[in-house]
Amino acid sequence: DGGITQSPKYLFRKEGQNVTLSCEQNLNHDAMYWYRQDPGQGLRLIYYSQIVNDFQKGDIAEGYSVSREKKESFPLTVTSAQKNPTAFYLCASSPGSDLRARGYTFGSGTRLTVV
Amino acid sequence: AQSVSQHNHHVILSEAASLELGCNYSYGGTVNLFWYVQYPGQHLQLLLKYFSGDPLVKGIKGFEAEFIKSKFSFNLRKPSVQWSDTAEYFCAVSPISSGSARQLTFGSGTQLTVLP
Repeated sequence: DGGITQSPKYLFRKEGQNVTLSCEQNLNHDAMYWYRQDPGQGLRLIYYSQIVNDFQKGDIAEGYSVSREKKESFPLTVTSAQKNPTAFYLCASSPGSDLRARGYTFGSGTRLTVV
Repeated sequence: AQSVSQHNHHVILSEAASLELGCNYSYGGTVNLFWYVQYPGQHLQLLLKYFSGDPLVKGIKGFEAEFIKSKFSFNLRKPSVQWSDTAEYFCAVSPISSGSARQLTFGSGTQLTVLP
């Protein structure tokens, strides 16, 4: 079955450390997205990528970095510059820049906790 | 930039009650509209979507939503809720530019609790 795999499911990080969250899709989707979900704030866009080797900042990109070297992979690095990284991170993909097909497909998420 | 408001943060209903969750957006142009649902411990799933045509759209599990352009609203409804509808519901908007829809902007979500 095609889908999006996020790993790990739970991640603990010490303050001052960088950590990378994995997102892999086998849907042959062109576009991929990272969202952060906090209670009462919904989903906020961190970064998105419409094609390989290209990505754009979303609404809350500060303290995060991404890469898109392969179509199926869009890893997110949470750097030590991110002031409040404890959150639930969701990766999503869509067939292309046109969402009219079926919107997004979401991964199961990674819960990051800073200890 | 567009924004999405969901007025109810937490709604508690008894089984068989009717449901209406509010969603308003701010954007002056053409939009695509979505409702997503997140059941406890599960992925976000698409409930229904509006692109064009009939403003009353039907989704999965008996849900429907009505797009009222003049009110910038896309409220979600269900005539009779079940305990299994307990979940968090997100409204989302995608503005259309140059003929294609791009990234989604989500509302803050509404937690629905249905009491048996």
